Amino acid sequence: SYELTQPPSVSVSPGQTARITCSGDALPRKYAYWYQQKSGQAPVVVIYDDSKRPSGIPERFSGSSSGTMATLTISGAQVEDEADYYCYSADSSGNHRVFGGGTKLTVL
Amino acid sequence: QVQLVESGGGVVQPGRSLRLSCAASGFIFSTYGMHWVRQAPGKGLEWVALIWYDGSNKYYVDSVKGRFTISRDNSNNTLYLQMNSLRAEDTAVYYCARESGELSLVLDYWGQGTLVTVSS
Repeated sequence: SYELTQPPSVSVSPGQTARITCSGDALPRKYAYWYQQKSGQAPVVVIYDDSKRPSGIPERFSGSSSGTMATLTISGAQVEDEADYYCYSADSSGNHRVFGGGTKLTVL
Repeated sequence: QVQLVESGGGVVQPGRSLRLSCAASGFIFSTYGMHWVRQAPGKGLEWVALIWYDGSNKYYVDSVKGRFTISRDNSNNTLYLQMNSLRAEDTAVYYCARESGELSLVLDYWGQGTLVTVSS
């Protein structure tokens, strides 16, 4: 079955740039999506269609994709950005979806 | 405003069945694909199942295929997940989510989840 691979953890100091990667064989053909999940809450989309930002999401969140890797970038990370981040996409058939294993972002 | 409210979770013995519901409001339910996503305690998100807007196609993660059935009632704006032959590893918070469509696969609205515990 199809898999998306993320690093388990990323740590930055406040104001630094955090980058979270997601690799998958179908990413050259399928969009990547990024979700933020804080403890006890439902996930919230922060990036969709590789690089689009929903309304209400701060401009410091951006996304990109090249080849088999998608990247979520948080420029000038804030303490309130501490959360688990998940990438999400579809397999080559487009019929099945998959989440990456998640990355715990620590900002301190 | 868009609302998704799950119900039906609880404690169930291994091998038994449970049906989850997701009541949708604030949008035209019959025009959107819908998903179930689960999260085991302390673990990551796992996509479980997808049903097209009209119920004509359904897709499942391998681990639930043949045991779980996703369905919908467009006249009552409700999504379901029938879970049979439950296992301990099915213990999780189950979320329903709307796929935005419009050529995007983004899950733009989520419910708050319902907890299913499979234990003897």
